[in-house]
Parts: sequence; structure tokens; C-alpha cells
Amino acid sequence: KNEVEQSPQNLTAQEGEFITINCSYSVGISALHWLQQHPGGGIVSLFMLSSGKKKHGRLIATINIQEKHSSLHITASHPRDSAVYICAVDQGAQKLVFGQGTRLTINP
Amino acid sequence: DGGITQSPKYLFRKEGQNVTLSCEQNLNHDAMYWYRQDPGQGLRLIYYSQIVNDFQKGDIAEGYSVSREKKESFPLTVTSAQKNPTAFYLCASSRGVNYGYTFGSGTRLTVV
Repeated sequence: KNEVEQSPQNLTAQEGEFITINCSYSVGISALHWLQQHPGGGIVSLFMLSSGKKKHGRLIATINIQEKHSSLHITASHPRDSAVYICAVDQGAQKLVFGQGTRLTINP
Repeated sequence: DGGITQSPKYLFRKEGQNVTLSCEQNLNHDAMYWYRQDPGQGLRLIYYSQIVNDFQKGDIAEGYSVSREKKESFPLTVTSAQKNPTAFYLCASSRGVNYGYTFGSGTRLTVV
């Protein structure tokens, strides 16, 4: 079993829909990261969180430390949101463990 | 703007040859990392360096080597000992504990 599990692996939705991507982990962490990888391969850091909730534009990330679970939400989704979203947990000593990613496709 | 530059974007290598992937950052970050990404798998840590002239093996260091002679630079050499080198390689940097990470745009290496 992977230490970081994401669901779903693939998600296709229509423009405007509310999107939720889930991340569960089985190890102790100091922080959790949500990353976005576009088709070219480069990765952009979206959020780093250790508790509660963070919001940036249409993106919202939440984490429940007791349940070892985090969610990434996208409101009013748009085709430009199509990408692979990756959850990564920081176990301390700056060593990240990555989920396999969720491939999101938003159709116009 | 500050950032991480990886070059080249695409690289082809013949079997048995060593090849070096470049990673340069102008963010003044102390820590730098190399990850490997294979289809359907999460990124895996190859090597990391938390300070100049020091580096540590990650989870899949066999067949790779690195150096950290300057704060800005963390080149990765894929040696002929790496049995399956075809992959996408990502470099990252961080200011330190409790800070986020900045990633490069990656180098796709193909062994022909």
C-alpha cells in the first residue's frame, strides 16, 4: 500500500463544475503539499498546509490531521484547470512522499 | 523573476554513455533535490542537498551521482550503471524546513 493515496486517478468534468480531489496518507507529517503538473511537465506549488484550510482564487485546500486526509477543491472549473494534481506529504527532514497524481480534464 | 532552470528539456543518450542534467536556481535556496518520474508512479527522490558541498542519497540513488560545489547549481549525472534511465527528471529547491518547494520544468531523458 502506498503511503500517499489519491482519488480519483482520473477525473473528467464539464466546465463550471465543482471539483474535489482527495488525498489520504498513512505516515506522520509536518506538512502536506498540493502541486499542479501541466502537460509540459513542469510543476507548480499550489498549497502547503499543516492544518485547517487555505484558499487561493478558485482553489481551496483542506486538511484533517486526525483523519490523515486532505482535499483539493476547484470551484467554477475551467478548461485551463486541466492538469495532473499531485499530493505530497513532508515527513520532516524535507523528504517528500508523493501520490500518483490525479489527471483532471475539464471539457468546455 | 527568480526560479529554477533545468536544461536541456529533452535529452537522448546512447546506452553505455554518462549524461549530466543541469539544474540552476537563483532563489538563494539552501536545499536542492532531484526527483525521477515514471508513468503511473509518484515522484521518487534520487539525491538531495541541504547545503553546499554536502548531499545525501534518496530512495533510488543507484546509478546516479551529484555534486554541489555552488549554492546555485546541483547537476545530476546519470551513469551507465543506471539500468533503466529513460524517465522524466525534476529538480526542486527549498529555503528550508517549513517552507514550500519550487520546481523546475524538467528534463525528459530517453536512452536509445
